[in-house]
Amino acid sequence: DSGVTQTPKHLITATGQRVTLRCSPRSGDLSVYWYQQSLDQGLQFLIQYYNGEERAKGNILERFSAQQFPDLHSELNLSSLELGDSALYFCASSRSGELFFGEGSRLTVL
Amino acid sequence: GQQLNQSPQSMFIQEGEDVSMNCTSSSIFNTWLWYKQDPGEGPVLLIALYKAGELTSNGRLTAQFGITRKDSFLNISASIPSDVGIYFCAGQSNFGNEKLTFGTGTRLTIIP
Repeated sequence: DSGVTQTPKHLITATGQRVTLRCSPRSGDLSVYWYQQSLDQGLQFLIQYYNGEERAKGNILERFSAQQFPDLHSELNLSSLELGDSALYFCASSRSGELFFGEGSRLTVL
Repeated sequence: GQQLNQSPQSMFIQEGEDVSMNCTSSSIFNTWLWYKQDPGEGPVLLIALYKAGELTSNGRLTAQFGITRKDSFLNISASIPSDVGIYFCAGQSNFGNEKLTFGTGTRLTIIP
């Protein structure tokens, strides 16, 4: 158990819809990262927050947004969903550089 | 952006064999990490390397941080069935709270 909690574990929705994925980092970790992993692919960095502020941005679509709240949990919002958005979305947190990953949220867009 | 090339893409070995995989980068990293991912699970950290030339072991796993800072390798000795999974290298440009750039992964399969 990495200590990073992600909900929901599975999500099935239709094209055009909007979903929110939630992440609770390990206790004491200030950084939260979001990664996307499509089928049999590597992990693509989406966005990082540090203590509530956006720290780095990767290949995140404009239809996607994220935020980190004062209690350090984070949410990733995916809107106007397309079939190609089907993937595993991982959250990770860190304190001193080593990232610890949650079990992921599997999104299926039909 | 930074690219991490990981090889081989897949390996089919027999139980008890040693395994070697490596990662090369087009640019320098100050930290290299190796993760293992089981199906449907998140990546789990295996080994972290912080200094060029560093050789670190974790049980049957040994990893090295290349002298040029542009490469790293992971060895697994005497493989066992639970070693099956996908292994990812990851590089970090700066120390501390920095995003990781991941390699493309090496899928390890053990043939009965």
